[in-house]
Parts: sequence; structure tokens; C-alpha cells
Amino acid sequence: EVQLVETGGGLIQPGGSLRLSCVVSGFTVSRTYMTWVRQAPGKGLEWVSVIYSGGSAYYADSVKGRFTISRDSSKNTVYLQVDSLRAEDTAVYYCARIQTSPIGADAFDRWGQGTMVIVSS
Amino acid sequence: SSELTQDPAVSVALGQTVNITCQGDTLGVYFASWYQQKPGQAPVLVIYGQNNRPSGIPDRFSGSRSGNTSSLTITGAQAEDEADYYCNSRDSRGNHPWVFGGGTYLTVL
Repeated sequence: EVQLVETGGGLIQPGGSLRLSCVVSGFTVSRTYMTWVRQAPGKGLEWVSVIYSGGSAYYADSVKGRFTISRDSSKNTVYLQVDSLRAEDTAVYYCARIQTSPIGADAFDRWGQGTMVIVSS
Repeated sequence: SSELTQDPAVSVALGQTVNITCQGDTLGVYFASWYQQKPGQAPVLVIYGQNNRPSGIPDRFSGSRSGNTSSLTITGAQAEDEADYYCNSRDSRGNHPWVFGGGTYLTVL
């Protein structure tokens, strides 16, 4: 059974850091594209970061230079290191699997339940 | 700002048909995928590609594309379809692989 379980969220002061984890079962993270998506309270979905099966990583402008995506194949886990946190980073952070297609029919086909990050003093 | 544009809200009478649209420059090249999100829950993929439904998604959900506009159609809307719907596709801006639309809240009357 495919499962994605995020942990690591919490209340953190501005300027602080957290490491979010996404533990995966049912497929191998190193063989697929994995992504983080966030949702601020009452707002829409925002794409944050992706790590490709080959290891390349990309980020939204809003988090570039502050967030780092990585994975540990031995633990079948994807991470999002979030540094220099700001109030506007407050959101539920979801990890998801991306099913890619050569004809541009990508899909975020499996999602975790999310982990909440609150940045406040 | 999002490069995929959605109407913020749409309503439909119970049992009727509704189209939720998504406009963007990349939609003429890449397909949109569509996600349903109910309060307090994670998004769920409902449509991807030309018109593909994941297992478990009712066949009243369908997708289409015309030019730079993709549409999610619900034929015979049910009360449980009331939710936020988001489109997603490739982003046109260099190293920003994907982008979401702003979302459409569907009310079933």
C-alpha cells in the first residue's frame, strides 16, 4: 500500500529552522519525482520544491536559498530543510509523488496528510 | 502571482453539470491535472492527462482542453462534490517546474 507520512512541523520563531520528513512506503523515492507543496491558512496550494529521480532539485522563488530538499534512499524518506523561517512560511506542508509523462501529462498522484509549520514569536 | 488562472468560486444545482476552468500559456503544450480538496484534508487527484481518472474517482468527473484553457467537468454534481478544486501544470518560467492555479470553490446548491 502506498503511504506518505509527513512529520517535523511545529511552532518555530522567525529566523528558526526545521527539518520536515516524508516517510514513504509502497514505492521507492529514489526512482520517482518527489515534491513538497504548501498551503497557508485559508489560501491555495503553492508548489515549493521537487527532487527528481536523478537528484536534481528545484525551488519556488519564495523559498530559494532558504529551503533544501533531499532524500535518504536507505530510509525511503524525503526531507525539506526549512531555514530562515518567516511568518509567511506558516502553512501546512504536504509531500507528494509526481507521476511524470513524456507527453506532459504529469500528476501529483499520491499525497501525505501534511504537517503544520507555524512561524511566530 | 499564479500563472494558471481559475475563477475563485462557482456554483451548481444538485444533479446539474458544471465546468471549472483553468487558463494558462503552458496549457497549450502541457496537460493540466486537477485536485479536489475538502476542508481539513489533503488534496486528491481527480483528473490528469487528456482525460484520465485515477482509480476510485467517479466517472462524473472528466477533463478537456481547448487552446490555453483546460476544463474540469462534473456531470450530475453531487453534494459531496462541494470542495476546492485546483489545477496544476508545468510552469513556463525556467526552473520552476510546476505551478498551481489559485483554486475554485464549488458550491452545490
